[in-house]
Amino acid sequence: DARVTQTPRHKVTEMGQEVTMRCQPILGHNTVFWYRQTMMQGLELLAYFRNRAPLDDSGMPKDRFSAEMPDATLATLKIQPSEPRDSAVYFCASGLVQGVQPQHFGDGTRLSIL
Amino acid sequence: AQSVTQLGSHVSVSEGALVLLRCNYSSSVPPYLFWYVQYPNQGLQLLLKYTSAATLVKGINGFEAEFKKSETSFHLTKPSAHMSDAAEYFCAVSDPNFGNEKLTFGTGTRLTIIP
Repeated sequence: DARVTQTPRHKVTEMGQEVTMRCQPILGHNTVFWYRQTMMQGLELLAYFRNRAPLDDSGMPKDRFSAEMPDATLATLKIQPSEPRDSAVYFCASGLVQGVQPQHFGDGTRLSIL
Repeated sequence: AQSVTQLGSHVSVSEGALVLLRCNYSSSVPPYLFWYVQYPNQGLQLLLKYTSAATLVKGINGFEAEFKKSETSFHLTKPSAHMSDAAEYFCAVSDPNFGNEKLTFGTGTRLTIIP
């Protein structure tokens, strides 16, 4: 089965460091979503791309977070500078703009900011 | 705006008993609805989806859900719980303002199976 691939799976770093998370969507999918999951806030949508164009990043703290799709096979989420409150699991999901297609999730990046 | 409410953040059932996980939605237009399951240290996996065809939707692993417009509900059921069903379950509603691609998720229900 085709899968969404996220790297790294785990990341521990110190406050103030830059963090880059990567996502390889399923080949042929043209929507990409970044989510953050925490115990307190649950699952939050951070950013959403269609055909590599950002459509909604209203859930993302703009001062430190950025999301891009350099090409159709790679999406990135960067945090600079990182803060302890950014500790969470970050999920990428991809889907198709065709009918009502479900989102397919990666296994996430577990981020710990010390 | 679309929203989803999952009643009960934790549900425990005995192995072999009926599983019922509740989901109520709010939507300005007829919604598309989804149930996802999340196992520890994994991403969310689709269980089933409602897209305005049959109101009773069958999914994987023996789960099904019924869309009830009058009650604005989309509850998830399984006749007989299995130990492997222990996981967190999320209900989600699509956003028609974004071509129904964007989803709003509920806060999740953690299902525990008692041996």
